[in-house]
Amino acid sequence: DTAVSQTPKYLVTQMGNDKSIKCEQNLGHDTMYWYKQDSKKFLKIMFSYNNKELIINETVPNRFSPKSPDKAHLNLHINSLELGDSAVYFCASSSHATSGGGTQYFGPGTRLLVL
Amino acid sequence: DAKTTQPNSMESNEEEPVHLPCNHSTISGTDYIHWYRQLPSQGPEYVIHGLTSNVNNRMASLAIAEDRKSSTLILHRATLRDAAVYYCILRDVGSSNTGKLIFGQGTTLQVKP
Repeated sequence: DTAVSQTPKYLVTQMGNDKSIKCEQNLGHDTMYWYKQDSKKFLKIMFSYNNKELIINETVPNRFSPKSPDKAHLNLHINSLELGDSAVYFCASSSHATSGGGTQYFGPGTRLLVL
Repeated sequence: DAKTTQPNSMESNEEEPVHLPCNHSTISGTDYIHWYRQLPSQGPEYVIHGLTSNVNNRMASLAIAEDRKSSTLILHRATLRDAAVYYCILRDVGSSNTGKLIFGQGTTLQVKP
């Protein structure tokens, strides 16, 4: 069973389009995250939800809107896609209560290419 | 969040031990030292973490300096599968614990057969 899964794995789209990436975890965790890895391989936190409540929003453009319908799911909707949005997007989850800050489990990534 | 410094790259021979260093001179008392690695075309994966004492698990060992200003991740016998980018990350579990990981550039480990 995959712990953290993301769909789609690859996404190729035109500039200006709107697209969504979905993430699901079956680990029973209460906290989920979205990270972006750019072309230089630099990984950066975008959002985090704890029990469906937004707790981190790292100055990401308003075109990005996360949504957490329940604790097991965190989706990312992107409006009016731009060339600079091309990146690999990773979803992660953790148990907030775990000692040491909580181990994060990452999904396989969604490779987004905006043409 | 406190900053960490790692070498950009390291090389190792297969089946030999590897010591990956990390400096974190501004570490605070509530910072845990976490190590993650990212294999090619995969998401990051947890390796090990510790606070003050050395730690061992099935993947690696973590040696933490007595003053906590540096640490070393030890892979006891490197395999080709261990070729990855290794990230040393400090996580504050104090009042501002949001859980986010702040990744630096990490150390790219090459393992030669």
